[in-house]
Amino acid sequence: RKEVEQDPGPFNVPEGATVAFNCTYSNSASQSFFWYRQDCRKEPKLLMSVYSSGNEDGRFTAQLNRASQYISLLIRDSKLSDSATYLCVVIGSYKYIFGTGTRLKVLA
Amino acid sequence: GAVVSQHPSWVICKSGTSVKIECRSLDFQATTMFWYRQFPKQSLMLMATSNEGSKATYEQGVEKDKFLINHASLTLSTLTVTSAHPEDSSFYICSAGSPPSLAGSYEQYFGPGTRLTVT
Repeated sequence: RKEVEQDPGPFNVPEGATVAFNCTYSNSASQSFFWYRQDCRKEPKLLMSVYSSGNEDGRFTAQLNRASQYISLLIRDSKLSDSATYLCVVIGSYKYIFGTGTRLKVLA
Repeated sequence: GAVVSQHPSWVICKSGTSVKIECRSLDFQATTMFWYRQFPKQSLMLMATSNEGSKATYEQGVEKDKFLINHASLTLSTLTVTSAHPEDSSFYICSAGSPPSLAGSYEQYFGPGTRLTVT
């Protein structure tokens, strides 16, 4: 079993739609969690950290469920510019472990 | 956020030659840098952790004699792909870590990546 698993997609959604991604992790001792965004042929960029209490940043909401060992990302009112690959990142022992990413395409 | 640069941004080399990639932290001192490799449509895979002034720690399956890492200063780490082969063609990304805070948070800042093509 992979340490971090994501549905690779692609998720094709119309503009304005709400879309959610999940990511599961296998190591219950994992300490920190993040969502990164990666555009084609670019480096990953931090989208948001994920806290136990859940956190929101504009149209983006991240949640952590430690009992079930998954994190989620919700994007409301999708924009064309949201099209990218979203990477789930889990940290253990100061090492970043990346999921394979979920590809999102927002269609006009 | 902090700025990390990589050079070159892309390189094409012939099979059997060596290629050096530089990773610099421009506005902070990085005691730890990380080197990743990403093949098309795959995730970033950690290759090694580079610690200033000491030997790098390689992940399982990564040949340390093929991927030479040097972290001679707090702002520069280099990755040299020796005797490159076409299967080494990939996107190589470095990152520099900030020291973990008392709250336990930890951030990494990624360089823009180097696209290596071995012909």
